[in-house]
Amino acid sequence: DVKVTQSSRYLVKRTGEKVFLECVQDMDHENMFWYRQDPGLGLRLIYFSYDVKMKEKGDIPEGYSVSREKKERFSLILESASTNQTSMYLCASQERGRFGYTFGSGTRLTVV
Amino acid sequence: AQSVSQHNHHVILSEAASLELGCNYSYGGTVNLFWYVQYPGQHLQLLLKYFSGDPLVKGIKGFEAEFIKSKFSFNLRKPSVQWSDTAEYFCAIRGGGADGLTFGKGTHLIIQP
Repeated sequence: DVKVTQSSRYLVKRTGEKVFLECVQDMDHENMFWYRQDPGLGLRLIYFSYDVKMKEKGDIPEGYSVSREKKERFSLILESASTNQTSMYLCASQERGRFGYTFGSGTRLTVV
Repeated sequence: AQSVSQHNHHVILSEAASLELGCNYSYGGTVNLFWYVQYPGQHLQLLLKYFSGDPLVKGIKGFEAEFIKSKFSFNLRKPSVQWSDTAEYFCAIRGGGADGLTFGKGTHLIIQP
């Protein structure tokens, strides 16, 4: 089974801090995605990546950046965390040409 | 642009009741359709998917969904729910050549014993 591992299950950060959320997948998938999940808003796409060093903005990229230096790792960066970025962050992996995602367990980030 | 609309944000049912969760989408071309489920404290899992062929698709745990192209709908059904079906359910579509999925806002289903 494909595994998508998010390094932290829970994080608490202060306003203004730079925050790194890490995601690693073990099946050599080309595509990786970062979503945030909020009650009543569902999943919203922040960024995605088709390959190493390639990235595309999703629907809500403001306040975020990403890094994909290695195929298996896709990092989400909050340059200066704000309270409205308190959310559940989900990473997903997908084999190119296939249709389903494999999701990680999520990182619940609280910005105080 | 594509979008997904789930009609109910919260649904409360008793065990053994029948379930239907609505999902409508907006996209002019060919779509692939998905239902995902997220049980409390767990990650999102694929329930079922539709790509082509028989519009009635069967998924895991007794769930099924019917694609009605003329109505742009992909409603999820289960004849008799169980307490363990308490979860959040997300409808998603993949349109055109994009790899990414567009998700609905989710429906929180609570089954009372």
